[in-house]
Amino acid sequence: SQKIEQNSEALNIQEGKTATLTCNYTNYSPAYLQWYRQDPGRGPVFLLLIRENEKEKRKERLKVTFDTTLKQSLFHITASQPADSATYLCAPGPRSGNTGKLIFGQGTTLQVKP
Amino acid sequence: NAGVTQTPKFQVLKTGQSMTLQCAQDMNHEYMSWYRQDPGMGLRLIHYSVGAGITDQGEVPNGYNVSRSTTEDFPLRLLSAAPSQTSVYFCASSSPGSSGTEAFFGQGTRLTVV
Repeated sequence: SQKIEQNSEALNIQEGKTATLTCNYTNYSPAYLQWYRQDPGRGPVFLLLIRENEKEKRKERLKVTFDTTLKQSLFHITASQPADSATYLCAPGPRSGNTGKLIFGQGTTLQVKP
Repeated sequence: NAGVTQTPKFQVLKTGQSMTLQCAQDMNHEYMSWYRQDPGMGLRLIHYSVGAGITDQGEVPNGYNVSRSTTEDFPLRLLSAAPSQTSVYFCASSSPGSSGTEAFFGQGTRLTVV
């Protein structure tokens, strides 16, 4: 069955450093991969989407890579700030284009300390 | 725009009671989904719909019913609540797109079954 793995342990880093979060998937061949941010008590919010023919995608301080050979996506936040503290979820997207049935990883909680 | 609206925000049920969680979106999205989120488990897909009149099961559909009579609304029904259904429930909507489109989430319904 399809499996999506994110580091379940919280990631604690110092303000100003680069945070790197990992998303690995197995038994799956996604056409794209999405990253979401979730704050406590709130619904997830979309951040970035990267397609299988893209190696890297950037948006302000965020960078996502997608390695279909390794079946892995890396999510980087450069110059991290305490406001970046949240849980980050990855969601590989189906080839059918049916984003109504996105399957999510369990999320990695990032804590940025001042 | 209101986006995706879920009601109620909080609910306490007794075992065996029934209730309906409401979800409405004003973005004319074809796809709508229901997820539950439990500590350490991430988001798990319960049911989804690709359009009015069309629904299908996700990863954890047992104990839940859905219907989609309009594009805007996608209610989730618990026929006989059980303590195992204590969770936070999220509704999401999105547009079709083979190259991927973002999902918009509601603020969630926190349900406790005693």
